Amino acid sequence: QVQLQESGPGLVKPSQTLSLTCTVSGGSISSGSYYWSWVRQPAGKGLEWIGRVYTSGSTNYNPSLESRVTISVDTSKNQFSLKLSSVTAADTAVYYCAREDRNDVGRWFDPWGQGTLVTVSS
Amino acid sequence: DIQMTQSPSSLSASVGDRVTITCRASQSISSYLNWYQQKPGKAPKLLIYAASSLQSGVPSGFSGSGSGTDFTLTISSLQPEDFATYYCQQSYTTPRTFGQGTKLEI
Repeated sequence: QVQLQESGPGLVKPSQTLSLTCTVSGGSISSGSYYWSWVRQPAGKGLEWIGRVYTSGSTNYNPSLESRVTISVDTSKNQFSLKLSSVTAADTAVYYCAREDRNDVGRWFDPWGQGTLVTVSS
Repeated sequence: DIQMTQSPSSLSASVGDRVTITCRASQSISSYLNWYQQKPGKAPKLLIYAASSLQSGVPSGFSGSGSGTDFTLTISSLQPEDFATYYCQQSYTTPRTFGQGTKLEI
């Protein structure tokens, strides 16, 4: 059973770059036709999709964050990563990684990592 | 972006009640609609995908319906463990977008 685990600093200073890694276990990140996504959730608020990467390295980003986001994949390490530059307090959130699965009739996020809280503060 | 609007935003109910949550998309998304359950401090959990397909391991008391712009999630008989926040999400196009959530409370 595939499991995802986020890792990275829990505290980032304003104007710096937030960097997180998602490690995939229980299966190869390269197997199947999956997209690998990042989703975030500020405390007490809803879910926001940040973007996704395919194992080929192709990406799609949320236009609201596109100028600051880079998502990449390292198939040799079975990981994918998120970089968000020029962070402000508004980027404080729990960050989740998730696999986007699909079939002929749909696409959905499953499984999800447990989430990691990133606080932007000096 | 496709806007997803859930109603109600919060709902008080009792164990054994039948509950329906609705989700409306700002444009047609065919059946590319998913439902998630989230409990405090936990990641979202997939319940329903493609509008009406029950995810493996999810109790049969959960069901989904709809297509186009209007969708519903129904819980046939509330169990204590069902009190949580529920989100709809469209996967018709990017950016993927979620509803604002429906908090189901006792």
